[in-house]
Amino acid sequence: DGGITQSPKYLFRKEGQNVTLSCEQNLNHDAMYWYRQDPGQGLRLIYYSQIVNDFQKGDIAEGYSVSREKKESFPLTVTSAQKNPTAFYLCASSINPNSGEQFFGPGTRLTVL
Amino acid sequence: KNQVEQSPQSLIILEGKNCTLQCNYTVSPFSNLRWYKQDTGRGPVSLTIMTFSENTKSNGRYTATLDADTKQSSLHITASQLSDSASYICVVRGRGTDKLIFGTGTRLQVFP
Repeated sequence: DGGITQSPKYLFRKEGQNVTLSCEQNLNHDAMYWYRQDPGQGLRLIYYSQIVNDFQKGDIAEGYSVSREKKESFPLTVTSAQKNPTAFYLCASSINPNSGEQFFGPGTRLTVL
Repeated sequence: KNQVEQSPQSLIILEGKNCTLQCNYTVSPFSNLRWYKQDTGRGPVSLTIMTFSENTKSNGRYTATLDADTKQSSLHITASQLSDSASYICVVRGRGTDKLIFGTGTRLQVFP
């Protein structure tokens, strides 16, 4: 099956801990994205990557870090510097950065205890 | 500032009824507008895309319209089903950019 997967579906962490969210795609897409979704707000872009070994900050990158060592994988680390990390995190990919359709993963709900 | 506004914020209808969701945007210059459906706890799935020259596009019981002059789009759902219960998100891409502007969504609940 082709698609984009995220794991885990639910994640709990204590304050002060870093945590890494996984995102994998087998669609052979060049571009990958991380969004954060909060109630009553539109999706906000955290980081994006147009090609392997390259990534750019989005609108709310502070407290987050990413890597793009492989085309298929774009993990997101939520660091202890992120002041309000509890949210629903969505990963997406598109065949190229200028292609309109982004395909989304099922999301990871992160809760900080 | 580029913005996308959706109304209503939430909507409750009975199964079998029709409904229309609205999207107004200020993104300029405009490239395309896409409607996504997002089930609770899941990722959004694209329903339809509208480009500048398109006025109407259908996908089964979903029909999207676009008025590029007034910068308005609507999503009409015909003969609603329980499975239509979801959030519907309007997303606009400006011309010459790879960034998307997301609306806050309309939460639709369909009751039997």
